[in-house]
Amino acid sequence: NAGVTQTPKFQVLKTGQSMTLQCAQDMNHNSMYWYRQDPGMGLRLIYYSASEGTTDKGEVPNGYNVSRLNKREFSLRLESAAPSQTSVYFCASGRIGKNIQYFGAGTRLSVL
Amino acid sequence: GQSLEQPSEVTAVEGAIVQINCTYQTSGFYGLSWYQQHDGGAPTFLSYNGLDGLEETGRFSSFLSRSDSYGYLLLQELQMKDSASYFCAVLMTTDSWGKLQFGAGTQVVVTP
Repeated sequence: NAGVTQTPKFQVLKTGQSMTLQCAQDMNHNSMYWYRQDPGMGLRLIYYSASEGTTDKGEVPNGYNVSRLNKREFSLRLESAAPSQTSVYFCASGRIGKNIQYFGAGTRLSVL
Repeated sequence: GQSLEQPSEVTAVEGAIVQINCTYQTSGFYGLSWYQQHDGGAPTFLSYNGLDGLEETGRFSSFLSRSDSYGYLLLQELQMKDSASYFCAVLMTTDSWGKLQFGAGTQVVVTP
């Protein structure tokens, strides 16, 4: 059982480049989330998806877009990367009625 | 505004007991969760308090007082493997998407 799988694990971008972070879960969860984690700041919610076909902004959505491709997959896109987006990105999923989120291993992104 | 306050670091020796406090000021509070994160790893769920009182899971216990907007995580019989960051997180809603607001985290350092 793989749980939540994120790709890539590491990425280095130049300012202005674009990229998509991929996330897939095999636990049949309805809800999926994208967080970023910066030193000393905990996890901040970027976007979330309550179910297939719906997405909503979280705390720090600027500079990002998301797509809930199907129930399993939730991708995060940086259209024009900036150094301020250097961070560790975590995808998570959760099940209705169970107050637990399951996290992927993270993507470590550096924007130069 | 919304805020969660927890100490930045706690140091203790193996076998000791550590209490990590979390005070919160948020809208739409439904419950308090705790997550553990080892260096370079993903956050993993430890416990959830939806009602006032103590929840016990092995060596770890968590407490909630809604009237005081306060909770804590108690780590007993500390082991070296408990060296990690611990995050409190407020469950903002019990809607299908279970949005979490995380604190900045407490780094627990266990010494021999």
